[in-house]
Amino acid sequence: SQKIEQNSEALNIQEGKTATLTCNYTNYSPAYLQWYRQDPGRGPVFLLLIRENEKEKRKERLKVTFDTTLKQSLFHITASQPADSATYLCAGSPGGYNKLIFGAGTRLAVHP
Amino acid sequence: EAQVTQNPRYLITVTGKKLTVTCSQNMNHEYMSWYRQDPGLGLRQIYYSMNVEVTDKGDVPEGYKVSRKEKRNFPLILESPSPNQTSLYFCASSKTGGSYEQYFGPGTRLTVT
Repeated sequence: SQKIEQNSEALNIQEGKTATLTCNYTNYSPAYLQWYRQDPGRGPVFLLLIRENEKEKRKERLKVTFDTTLKQSLFHITASQPADSATYLCAGSPGGYNKLIFGAGTRLAVHP
Repeated sequence: EAQVTQNPRYLITVTGKKLTVTCSQNMNHEYMSWYRQDPGLGLRQIYYSMNVEVTDKGDVPEGYKVSRKEKRNFPLILESPSPNQTSLYFCASSKTGGSYEQYFGPGTRLTVT
């Protein structure tokens, strides 16, 4: 079945370091990958979208890459802050009016 | 303010008692969808709708119904809820499909006893 997989273990890093989260997809080829942030008890909030023909996308301290050979997206937060602590979700769509498949998310904890 | 609203936010009910969770968006979005979120399983899509009167199944549609009679509303119906439908439910909308930025509602926490 079509799957998006993210590291289920929490990622703990020190403030100021770069956090790198991984998203792998299997059994399908998403044309678009999206990243969301989710805080406890709240709905996900959109962060970035990257298309399969884009290698990299940036927004302020965030950077996303899309490697169709490895079937993987990496999400980076540079100069991380405790306020970046949250669960980050990766989602993929084959395109158009289609269903969207989410990974289970990776919890990030940034320590002062 | 652009938003997706859901009601109720919390609901405790008993097995077999029909219920409806409402979802409304004020952004004139064509695409709307419902997800359930369970620990360790992440967000799983239940149904999605590409426009009025056009709906399709997501990955976990069993036990749920939806309708899209108006562009802004997309209610989720549980005709005969069961305990395995206890979950956190999110409604989402986007301009034109699953490929684009999704706007999520605040969530509805449902408990079926």
